[in-house]
Amino acid sequence: DQQVKQNSPSLSVQEGRISILNCDYTNSMFDYFLWYKKYPAEGPTFLISISSIKDKNEDGRFTVFLNKSAKHLSLHIVPSQPGDSAVYFCAAIPLNTGNQFYFGTGTSLTVIP
Amino acid sequence: DVKVTQSSRYLVKRTGEKVFLECVQDMDHENMFWYRQDPGLGLRLIYFSYDVKMKEKGDIPEGYSVSREKKERFSLILESASTNQTSMYLCASRPTSGYEQYFGPGTRLTVT
Repeated sequence: DQQVKQNSPSLSVQEGRISILNCDYTNSMFDYFLWYKKYPAEGPTFLISISSIKDKNEDGRFTVFLNKSAKHLSLHIVPSQPGDSAVYFCAAIPLNTGNQFYFGTGTSLTVIP
Repeated sequence: DVKVTQSSRYLVKRTGEKVFLECVQDMDHENMFWYRQDPGLGLRLIYFSYDVKMKEKGDIPEGYSVSREKKERFSLILESASTNQTSMYLCASRPTSGYEQYFGPGTRLTVT
């Protein structure tokens, strides 16, 4: 049972425009959320995170929004750059468990120059 | 610089063979993880360890075992490899404080 879902397997965006990657979850006990970026033949690297007590976290070109009532989070990349082309995974962690991470299926982002 | 290394990038094994995947981290992290990544399924947790000689099952432990004899090293063992274990295997580590995991480059295992 997939508790974290990324319903768009792929996304194409023009360079300079905004990329919006979405993630939905079903478990209301999820307390902390992370986004990872993965290039081919490399392991995922941490991008940005958000605690359930916040609704927004920003780091440079990357912003994560959390809507707890809708059980939805999104990652905004502005402006998108060709080097952002990668697979993006969202992940969630339940309250009071530090190691049981639940990952989404990933969205492959292509930024077209 | 943070580093997680995995013993092999590519591995080809035959059905029934015993397979060892090794992972080493140099960050003195307490927690280590093994995931497999499959198309359409994302990353699924196989096992994790929060201390030397301690282990916990993840979502898909069947057919796998793990060993953590030293803090920096976490091994994944396939006792008798099967074709449905063909996958990308990713190791990660995490300190006790903070949720960020650091991943190795992955081992692509093919079982024929």
